[in-house]
Amino acid sequence: NAGVTQTPKFQVLKTGQSMTLQCAQDMNHEYMSWYRQDPGMGLRLIHYSVGAGITDQGEVPNGYNVSRSTTEDFPLRLLSAAPSQTSVYFCASRFTGSYEQYFGPGTRLTVT
Amino acid sequence: AQSVTQPDIHITVSEGASLELRCNYSYGATPYLFWYVQSPGQGLQLLLKYFSGDTLVQGIKGFEAEFKRSQSSFNLRKPSVHWSDAAEYFCAVGASGNTPLVFGKGTRLSVIA
Repeated sequence: NAGVTQTPKFQVLKTGQSMTLQCAQDMNHEYMSWYRQDPGMGLRLIHYSVGAGITDQGEVPNGYNVSRSTTEDFPLRLLSAAPSQTSVYFCASRFTGSYEQYFGPGTRLTVT
Repeated sequence: AQSVTQPDIHITVSEGASLELRCNYSYGATPYLFWYVQSPGQGLQLLLKYFSGDTLVQGIKGFEAEFKRSQSSFNLRKPSVHWSDAAEYFCAVGASGNTPLVFGKGTRLSVIA
């Protein structure tokens, strides 16, 4: 049971490049979400999904896309990276109604 | 919508001293409350949670938290801090249904000898 996994662990992008941050969980959790963590800002929700085929926006969705084609995977896409997207990104999952959320180890992204 | 305030950005305590980290929430009904810990360079680990029932909840690593409805608070405590407790601590609140967890901005704990 690997829990929540994220790849890559580190990434450097140039402004305007696109990339996908991968997130997978093997706990059969319906609920998955993406947060970004910036110093002094805590964790801010980007997008979340309550099940396959269903996604919704969080607090800071601009510049990011998500899709949920399977229960296990919830990739986060940066369409045109900007320096303001330099951050640490965390994926999390839980059973709906449980609220006990499990986090991945994070992806540290730098946009130059 | 729910919200969380952690009034202390940074706290320094001596090893062996007691610790209390403050958390205040805003939500009209009974909330689901959580404390997470993040060690440097790591992800978040759940310390403890409150859903209902006994207002004093025990967690891992010797931590406990008390839910006080009258004060809208869920403060985290530990009677004797160890150097390994140095980390960032996040309080979070959830509401019923599929609403996402909302996190506070965190409190960084430093432990000195």
